[in-house]
Amino acid sequence: GQQVMQIPQYQHVQEGEDFTTYCNSSTTLSNIQWYKQRPGGHPVFLIQLVKSGEVKKQKRLTFQFGEAKKNSSLHITATQTTDVGTYFCAGHFYYNQGGKLIFGQGTELSVKP
Amino acid sequence: KAGVTQTPRYLIKTRGQQVTLSCSPISGHRSVSWYQQTPGQGLQFLFEYFSETQRNKGNFPGRFSGRQFSNSRSEMNVSTLELGDSALYLCASSLVLSGNADTQYFGPGTRLTVL
Repeated sequence: GQQVMQIPQYQHVQEGEDFTTYCNSSTTLSNIQWYKQRPGGHPVFLIQLVKSGEVKKQKRLTFQFGEAKKNSSLHITATQTTDVGTYFCAGHFYYNQGGKLIFGQGTELSVKP
Repeated sequence: KAGVTQTPRYLIKTRGQQVTLSCSPISGHRSVSWYQQTPGQGLQFLFEYFSETQRNKGNFPGRFSGRQFSNSRSEMNVSTLELGDSALYLCASSLVLSGNADTQYFGPGTRLTVL
């Protein structure tokens, strides 16, 4: 079945360092969503990418969707302590005349001040 | 507009008991999805309801069941609780089926502890 693999599972960085998390699918995605979950909180929608090769930016966050629409990445420049949390990607697959949204395992980011 | 609400927020049960969790979606949202979150396992999809019908189901045993009411509120039931059922249970609502790639709005979750 469809799976979305996300790496790394954990990332510890010094404040000011960059951070990247990657999502990969074995099959083509129709689009991909990214969510952030702060410690003790619930996932909150960040962004959705739809087009092949799409790049979107939100301040220090850069989201990319691969040309083949099988992978995606989230890059944070110059991390801050407010970036702490778990970042999830969610891949959307067309399935059975509808679709399916499958979450990756998440990457937990910790930032040392 | 009020967000997704879940009740109760915390629950402690013992093995063999059953539990019912409730989720009220954002007003106007017709889809409710349920997820189990445990450390190291990420978000495991349980099922999705839309217009009172289960539309998608994850790989969980039959002890996990749910339903949706005409006002889109949803309940999830776990029977014969096991220690491994201890988790954060999240519900998420969206305007349409999640398969249409609509944004998922998550509730705060119910933290279930099974002793």
